[in-house]
This record gives sequence, C-alpha cells and structure tokens, in this order.
Amino acid sequence: GQNIDQPTEMTATEGAIVQINCTYQTSGFNGLFWYQQHAGEAPTFLSYNVLDGLEEKGRFSSFLSRSKGYSYLLLKELQMKDSASYLCAVRPDTGRRALTFGSGTRLQVQP
Amino acid sequence: DTEVTQTPKHLVMGMTNKKSLKCEQHMGHRAMYWYKQKAKKPPELMFVYSYEKLSINESVPSRFSPECPNSSLLNLHLHALQPEDSALYLCASSQGQAGNTEAFFGQGTRLTVV
Repeated sequence: GQNIDQPTEMTATEGAIVQINCTYQTSGFNGLFWYQQHAGEAPTFLSYNVLDGLEEKGRFSSFLSRSKGYSYLLLKELQMKDSASYLCAVRPDTGRRALTFGSGTRLQVQP
Repeated sequence: DTEVTQTPKHLVMGMTNKKSLKCEQHMGHRAMYWYKQKAKKPPELMFVYSYEKLSINESVPSRFSPECPNSSLLNLHLHALQPEDSALYLCASSQGQAGNTEAFFGQGTRLTVV
C-alpha cells in the first residue's frame, strides 16, 4: 500500500525560508516528486528526487532520504506568489507506476 | 509545446445527462492519466493509458468511461453521474511511466453535477 504524510497547513513570512516535510511508506520506490498547485489551477512540477541528497533549483530545493522514507521541499526568499498547496508524490517501481499524491500542504505567505 | 489542453474548463450536467471531457497533448507522451480532485484534497488517480491501452483502472464506477482514440487524445465519457462526482477532473501525460518522467497536468475541467 501507499501512505504519504505531509503537514496540512503552514504559514511563513515573505522573505523567509520554509521547509515542508513529507514522509512516505510505499510498496516499492522509483522517485519522489514535488508539485505546486495554486487554488483552482493544475499542479505544476517543481522537483524530482530518486537518489539520496539535495537537488537545488533556484529558490527551491528538495531533499530525499530513502532509508528514512523522508523528503522535504525548501523554499527560500519567500514571495507572496508562493502561497499555494505543495504536493508530495511518489512513483512506485513495481506494478502501478502512476504517481500517488500526499494530501498536500497549504502554505500561506504573509507580508 | 509543453501543454496539456483540457476542454471544457467548466461543465454543469444533470444526473441523466451524457457528456464527455476531452484532453489533448502534442508532446509525444505515451502515458496519459485521468485524476479526480475534490476541494482541498490531493488528486486521486482514476485511469492510466499506456501506449493507447488502458493499463490501470482504480476501481472507478462504470458511469465513468475512458477512451484513448490516439496517442494525443484522451476522453472521459460521463453518464448518469451523482452529485458527489462533482470535482475537478485533471488530465496528465508523461513520456512514460518510469523513473524521472514527470507528469504534466492540464488545467482541469471543473464538473458540477446537479
């Protein structure tokens, strides 16, 4: 089975740094994805991790520890437009290969 | 072109109606997906097509009927829906189903069943 956990909501201040955690227990693992979704819009791809370590992409970084079943998304220099839901998704390596999404973390950036 | 296009953007239908949602991509992706998303919930997988063949059906009720006429198009036929089927229906595509092939999502069709 698949179990992916994220905090439901987070609040942070413009210009600050925020870390959104994701823990997972899945039957097989072939990569972890982070997506951003603004209200009423489609999810957009942010990052992909399949090996342990940190992947950096501008203001966004994502970390993975496969042994701990743990990932985080780090957002630096927060902007108001970063207010959105952040979805952690896992792709299993056997059988079902489509993405399974966590419940998402709603981030509110305040001035 | 990195877009997945869905039509219509909004749809209101009665419980006795028959309607179809359409999805199109021209990225040469061979895997296409339908997801259902309720408010403040994550997308839930409904169907996966791989190389135009249905590979996954997540025990979706038969009132939802997917169709993949060719490698660029994916339809979702709707019949005799219930009010609880009201949701955002998202189409996605990916190069394949392995490794780092990210899924690209369309803007979705917001469906209201009355």
